[in-house]
Amino acid sequence: GQQLNQSPQSMFIQEGEDVSMNCTSSSIFNTWLWYKQDPGEGPVLLIALYKAGELTSNGRLTAQFGITRKDSFLNISASIPSDVGIYFCAGQKGGADGLTFGKGTHLIIQP
Amino acid sequence: DADVTQTPRNRITKTGKRIMLECSQTKGHDRMYWYRQDPGLGLRLIYYSFDVKDINKGEISDGYSVSRQAQAKFSLSLESAIPNQTALYFCATSDSGYQPQHFGDGTRLSIL
Repeated sequence: GQQLNQSPQSMFIQEGEDVSMNCTSSSIFNTWLWYKQDPGEGPVLLIALYKAGELTSNGRLTAQFGITRKDSFLNISASIPSDVGIYFCAGQKGGADGLTFGKGTHLIIQP
Repeated sequence: DADVTQTPRNRITKTGKRIMLECSQTKGHDRMYWYRQDPGLGLRLIYYSFDVKDINKGEISDGYSVSRQAQAKFSLSLESAIPNQTALYFCATSDSGYQPQHFGDGTRLSIL
């Protein structure tokens, strides 16, 4: 089955640095979503994107829906310790479809 | 109280046993989903349901069955558990159309 190509797989950064991760697909998605998962918990929605080219912010997080509808990226500015976790992209083709997930980006912040 | 509640949170069982994982929601959403998460992988869709009389197979439905007992309840069953079904299982709900899915905190299932 298809999964989205998410990179990088892991990131080791210093507190205060900006973070960028992306997700690509060989097929078109009509919705892109970004989730964060903390240990022992389910994924929590960060940003939802519904229109090609759309750029949406949620606090220090910014995500974009690629023009080709085959990619999306997530930026985190001025990282803080609570940003640690696993970030997943997810795409949805039709309103009646389930989500297709990337394998996740594990963000680790070094003191 | 959580909007999407999964029970049990952890379960250890033996090969060949029948297992049921339950999900209930207070969000009033019509759509419910079951996903499986393996280490190093994203979530993969097992089954989903748009209302009580609607059940749809996802990407990896083999070895699983589901029951939508009410709008708020969606159960996942493993009729005869096998070790490679050891994983984290997540239930999610959404409103109609392209509304985002909201996840429960998962059930960690170990099959020995």
